[in-house]
Amino acid sequence: AQKITQTQPGMFVQEKEAVTLDCTYDTSDQSYGLFWYKQPSSGEMIFLIYQGSYDEQNATEGRYSLNFQKARKSANLVISASQLGDSAMYFCAMRALYSGAGSYQLTFGKGTKLSVIP
Amino acid sequence: DAEITQSPRHKITETGRQVTLACHQTWNHNNMFWYRQDLGHGLRLIHYSYGVQDTNKGEVSDGYSVSRSNTEDLPLTLESAASSQTSVYFCASSEQGADTQYFGPGTRLTVL
Repeated sequence: AQKITQTQPGMFVQEKEAVTLDCTYDTSDQSYGLFWYKQPSSGEMIFLIYQGSYDEQNATEGRYSLNFQKARKSANLVISASQLGDSAMYFCAMRALYSGAGSYQLTFGKGTKLSVIP
Repeated sequence: DAEITQSPRHKITETGRQVTLACHQTWNHNNMFWYRQDLGHGLRLIHYSYGVQDTNKGEVSDGYSVSRSNTEDLPLTLESAASSQTSVYFCASSEQGADTQYFGPGTRLTVL
């Protein structure tokens, strides 16, 4: 079984500052993928960034980077130069990377609400 | 552009009624998923399908069913709606072998 823990229900950050959203995970799988999704107040789920457990380098996508520490089982999202439009719920998720039944299921954390202050 | 759509976007129904939520994707993805989102629980998997005629139960499948008769659609049916099924429902899809799931806009269902 997989478990995702996001310990920060809410976070505040000043506009233009960087912010780190925490995510820890628990799994017995050897290969897995880690994801971050953004959910603005409009409700849609927007894919942000992906990290495979086999990747040696941290993933980056524009202002988003994933700080992956395998030994600590953490996959924190770092947003640089925060913008007002970054205010949203952020969800960390994971899935096992193997073929067969159940392999594409995502397990989500409960989310962190980020508020960017002007 | 290819996309994933859900209908209706909002639905109010009464306890005991059968309800079907539609999900349609034009990416030709093999994998499709249904999740529900509730405060304090994040998203939880209801059912999923890896292709036509394939359906599987997820974490919270009781009271729900799906069928997959073509690649594009995965309708979710609540056989006898209960107030505990008031939630926001998301459909998602992904390519076979791909890592990322793409989500529809969601359906807000209220069961009175």
